Amino acid sequence: DTEVTQTPKHLVMGMTNKKSLKCEQHMGHRAMYWYKQKAKKPPELMFVYSYEKLSINESVPSRFSPECPNSSLLNLHLHALQPEDSALYLCASSQEWDPSSYEQYFGPGTRLTVT
Amino acid sequence: AQKVTQAQTEISVVEKEDVTLDCVYETRDTTYYLFWYKQPPSGELVFLIRRNSFDEQNEISGRYSWNFQKSTSSFNFTITASQVVDSAVYFCALSEETAGNTPLVFGKGTRLSVIA
Repeated sequence: DTEVTQTPKHLVMGMTNKKSLKCEQHMGHRAMYWYKQKAKKPPELMFVYSYEKLSINESVPSRFSPECPNSSLLNLHLHALQPEDSALYLCASSQEWDPSSYEQYFGPGTRLTVT
Repeated sequence: AQKVTQAQTEISVVEKEDVTLDCVYETRDTTYYLFWYKQPPSGELVFLIRRNSFDEQNEISGRYSWNFQKSTSSFNFTITASQVVDSAVYFCALSEETAGNTPLVFGKGTRLSVIA
């Protein structure tokens, strides 16, 4: 099983809503990632979790709050988002947090629209 | 600072044509890793290849081949006998051994359209 799953596929939320994005993998990977991808742009790294601990936070605004409940799950909690946060949010995982040695497997993404 | 340039924003070819996607990178590290990912319309990025800086052997996988040349800092990707299913955005990416807080840097991507 080399699959990373993400739910929901699409999400529309207002600026005052609170919602969560979910990501799951069952490959035994110990590193998980959140990326944000705007239209016609490459993915931008947001967070990296390694062994369920936050290893990298790329200066992401606090309205995005990641959580790693266990080694298979990764959540992204959203609160008070802005319209410019509308994007495709991609989750990825790799065997270890060592991008030089291990390829990342990506999920299909959640397409988020903030109204 | 590491940087990846994919000069071709969009390419359109007719089915069965060969097509080469260019990737030029910049790094000061002697140890680094190069990647190609494919992003079809469905959205997920699909890993295609990883190459380390000490291995300049070209690689072929079916209709896909990669040409790594350190002398020109290029890691080009060729699709032979293209098919409609090859239509996607292709990203080249770089990771340095001492990348610190930027594990993987992507190029801007090349959108390939294969027309039947």
